[in-house]
Amino acid sequence: GAVVSQHPSWVICKSGTSVKIECRSLDFQATTMFWYRQFPKQSLMLMATSNEGSKATYEQGVEKDKFLINHASLTLSTLTVTSAHPEDSSFYICSARARRGMDYGYTFGSGTRLTVV
Amino acid sequence: GQQVMQIPQYQHVQEGEDFTTYCNSSTTLSNIQWYKQRPGGHPVFLIQLVKSGEVKKQKRLTFQFGEAKKNSSLHITATQTTDVGTYFCAGTSYGGATNKLIFGTGTLLAVQP
Repeated sequence: GAVVSQHPSWVICKSGTSVKIECRSLDFQATTMFWYRQFPKQSLMLMATSNEGSKATYEQGVEKDKFLINHASLTLSTLTVTSAHPEDSSFYICSARARRGMDYGYTFGSGTRLTVV
Repeated sequence: GQQVMQIPQYQHVQEGEDFTTYCNSSTTLSNIQWYKQRPGGHPVFLIQLVKSGEVKKQKRLTFQFGEAKKNSSLHITATQTTDVGTYFCAGTSYGGATNKLIFGTGTLLAVQP
C-alpha cells in the first residue's frame, strides 16, 4: 500500500530556532502534498498545499514566511517552522494521495510532535 | 468558509453497544471520506462516499451519505475495544479545490471492556 514517511517523529527546540520536517512518499509520486496542524484533542487544520515545482498555497491565517514549504521533487516535501515560539508547539502531519478513485483516500505520515521551549 | 461539524464530540460505550457519529457540512460536498485516528497516531483512511444517499458497509461499520450531500454518518455495530479512537469525516466541496480535504471536528470513541 501507499506509504508516507515523515521525520522526525518528535522534536524539541529552543525558542527562536528553526525546525525542518520532512515528508516523503515512499512508493508513489506525489505532485501535491498537504500539511496539517493538530492541537491536542482537536481536529486537523489544513495549513497549506504543497505543489511540486511551484509555490505552496497557504490557507487563510497561515503565515507563509513562518511556515516555509518546499516541494523540490515528486517524493519529498518539507515544512520549516522558522523562528519557532512556544505557541508553534503542535502536532504537524503531512498527507498525499497515491491514487484517485473510490477506494483510495489520503495517506498520512506518522506526524511530528514539535515542542518549543 | 466551509465548516464541517461532528456530533457527539465524545462517546463512551460499553463493549458490545452500538455507536454513531454524525457529520454536517455548511456547504454541499462533492464527496465525503472517513478516517480513524488512534490515540497518539495518525489518521487512517476508512472509506469514501460520492453519490447522494449512498450507503456502504465494512464489516461492523456502516457509512451513509445524505441525499443533499451535506451530511454523513458512521455507525458501528457491537463495538469492540479495538474501535477506540477518534473518527473524522472529511470532505471536499463543490467549487473548491478538488483535492483539498476539510476535516470535521471529530468524535472520540471510548469503549469500556
